[in-house]
Amino acid sequence: AQKVTQAQTEISVVEKEDVTLDCVYETRDTTYYLFWYKQPPSGELVFLIRRNSFDEQNEISGRYSWNFQKSTSSFNFTITASQVVDSAVYFCAHEETSGSRLTFGEGTQLTVNP
Amino acid sequence: KAGVTQTPRYLIKTRGQQVTLSCSPISGHRSVSWYQQTPGQGLQFLFEYFSETQRNKGNFPGRFSGRQFSNSRSEMNVSTLELGDSALYLCASSLFVFPKFFGPGTRLTVL
Repeated sequence: AQKVTQAQTEISVVEKEDVTLDCVYETRDTTYYLFWYKQPPSGELVFLIRRNSFDEQNEISGRYSWNFQKSTSSFNFTITASQVVDSAVYFCAHEETSGSRLTFGEGTQLTVNP
Repeated sequence: KAGVTQTPRYLIKTRGQQVTLSCSPISGHRSVSWYQQTPGQGLQFLFEYFSETQRNKGNFPGRFSGRQFSNSRSEMNVSTLELGDSALYLCASSLFVFPKFFGPGTRLTVL
């Protein structure tokens, strides 16, 4: 069965610091997808990225970057120059390609202080 | 373009009652999936519908059911409510397989 682990329950940083959120997954699938979502206090999940297991290239989108390492089963997320608006719970998730169900990690509460 | 809407936003029920939650996906989206979020279990997949057919189902008891209508709106029903059913129920819609756009959720409290 798939499992996603986000060992960092809470992270607190000061504005403009860089912060990395860790995600480790377990899967028996040879092909799968990995995701990151953001959940602000309003409650709805906001999609950030979807990555195919065949694509190990790092991705950068503005202040966000993702490092996918299949060898260590990790898909880490870095926010550069964090801002107060980045404060939220961030979830990493795994999807088997044969289905539409996501397995989520426990989430990491990120607090960015001014 | 309107986002995913969920009604009601808040609901209080008592044990043993049943409840129906509604989700209206983004116009044109045919995939609707449901997730339950609790402090103890986190986010868990309930089921996914595509063009009125349930394509995938999570590991929840039969008290949890759902359906999708021809206009892609979806409902989920929980019968014989238990205290542990108190949760935020999130609905997501997508043109694709994976849930891309989530609604604000329905906060269900079972007393």
